[in-house]
Amino acid sequence: QVQLQESGPGLVKPSQTLSLTCTVSGGSISSGGYYWSWIRQPAGKGLEWIGRIDASGSTTYNSSLESRVTISRDTSKNQFSLNLTSVTAADTAVYYCAGRIITRGFDPWGQGTLVTVSS
Amino acid sequence: DIQMTQSPSSLSASVGDRVTITCRASQSIIKYLNWYQQKPGKAPKVLIYAASSLQSGVPSRFSGSGSGTDFTLTISSLQPEDFASYYCQQNYRVPLTFGGGTKVEIK
Repeated sequence: QVQLQESGPGLVKPSQTLSLTCTVSGGSISSGGYYWSWIRQPAGKGLEWIGRIDASGSTTYNSSLESRVTISRDTSKNQFSLNLTSVTAADTAVYYCAGRIITRGFDPWGQGTLVTVSS
Repeated sequence: DIQMTQSPSSLSASVGDRVTITCRASQSIIKYLNWYQQKPGKAPKVLIYAASSLQSGVPSRFSGSGSGTDFTLTISSLQPEDFASYYCQQNYRVPLTFGGGTKVEIK
C-alpha cells in the first residue's frame, strides 16, 4: 500500500522560499502510470492544485503559480519536493502531496502539513 | 482554466436523507470528474472517479453520474459519518481544478 508523508518547515518568512518534501513508501515514484502532485488548502477554503511530476521526471505546473514553483524528485530516496519562492501571507495553507493514476482521482494523500508565512 | 462550480455550497440534512450535490464544468470534461470527501483536519478521500466509478472500499450509498459539463454526487441514505465537505475535481486538462466544495451539516 502506497503511503505519502510531507515534511518541512512550518513557518516561512515573507519573500523567502517554501520547501517541502514528500516521502513515498510502498511504491516507487519511478513507476509508470503515476503522477505525483502538490495541492494546497488555505484555512477554511478550497483546494488548489500546484503542480505534478510524473514517473519520467517531467513536470507540469499551475499557470497561476508557475513563475514561483519548482517540483523535483530524488529517486534514490523515493521523494519528490516542492519549492515555492517569494512567498507571501497568501501562501499560508495546508500543503498536501498526493499520487494519482491516470484517469483516476488523487489517492493516496499525505496527511498534510501546515505552512505559515509570517515574520 | 476549466472552472468547476458546485452547488449548493452547504446543506443541512438528517440521517437517512437522500442528498444530491451538483458540479458544473465551464467546458466539456467528458467523464474526467472525481468526487472527494473531506473531514476536518484530514486529507480528502476519493469517493468516485471517472464520474461514476466507485473507489474501492467506498460504501455503495455513494454514487456519481453525469458527463460533459454536468455531474452529480448522490448519497442515497445519509449516515452520521457522512457529515463532511465534498469536492469535485476535473482531470481532463491542466491545471487540474476543484470545485469550491459543499459542506453537509446535520439538520
